[in-house]
Amino acid sequence: DTAVSQTPKYLVTQMGNDKSIKCEQNLGHDTMYWYKQDSKKFLKIMFSYNNKELIINETVPNRFSPKSPDKAHLNLHINSLELGDSAVYFCASSRGSQPQHFGDGTRLSIL
Amino acid sequence: GIQVEQSPPDLILQEGANSTLRCNFSDSVNNLQWFHQNPWGQLINLFYIPSGTKQNGRLSATTVATERYSLLYISSSQTTDSGVYFCAVRISGGGADGLTFGKGTHLIIQP
Repeated sequence: DTAVSQTPKYLVTQMGNDKSIKCEQNLGHDTMYWYKQDSKKFLKIMFSYNNKELIINETVPNRFSPKSPDKAHLNLHINSLELGDSAVYFCASSRGSQPQHFGDGTRLSIL
Repeated sequence: GIQVEQSPPDLILQEGANSTLRCNFSDSVNNLQWFHQNPWGQLINLFYIPSGTKQNGRLSATTVATERYSLLYISSSQTTDSGVYFCAVRISGGGADGLTFGKGTHLIIQP
């Protein structure tokens, strides 16, 4: 059973489009995260979310928004995609400060 | 914010060699994880080790929290150990904060 699953694995789209990446975890964790890995492989937190608070990294443009329909899902919506949004996006989950478990990533390419 | 520095940035070894990767961090942490990013881009959890020593087969890790560093040891390297090794930490104080990653050590094991 996949613990943290993301869809799609690959996403190729045009500049200016709006897209979503879905994330689901079946670990019963209470906190979920989105990370961005750039072309130099640097990983940076974008959002952290549990049922009490949403923490947004101040460097994330407001074109990016997390949406959580329930505790097992945290989707990432991106409006008006730009060339610089090309990256690999990872979803993760944890129970409090316990180990974070990562999905396999979604490779986003903007044409 | 917390600073995470990994060394060395690059390491090329022959199969069978041993290696030590280092992670220094600038503040107290309640979570420290080591990951291996394989050639397919997956982030594989190696250790959750905010303090103490753990071993898993040919890999072991030690974190000295009072001195703010962690070491990852790889013994009898195999070509499948190649990839990027990341150290990631979460500052003490909790909430839903995400992990802060180092820039990684790029390890190449030659046959």
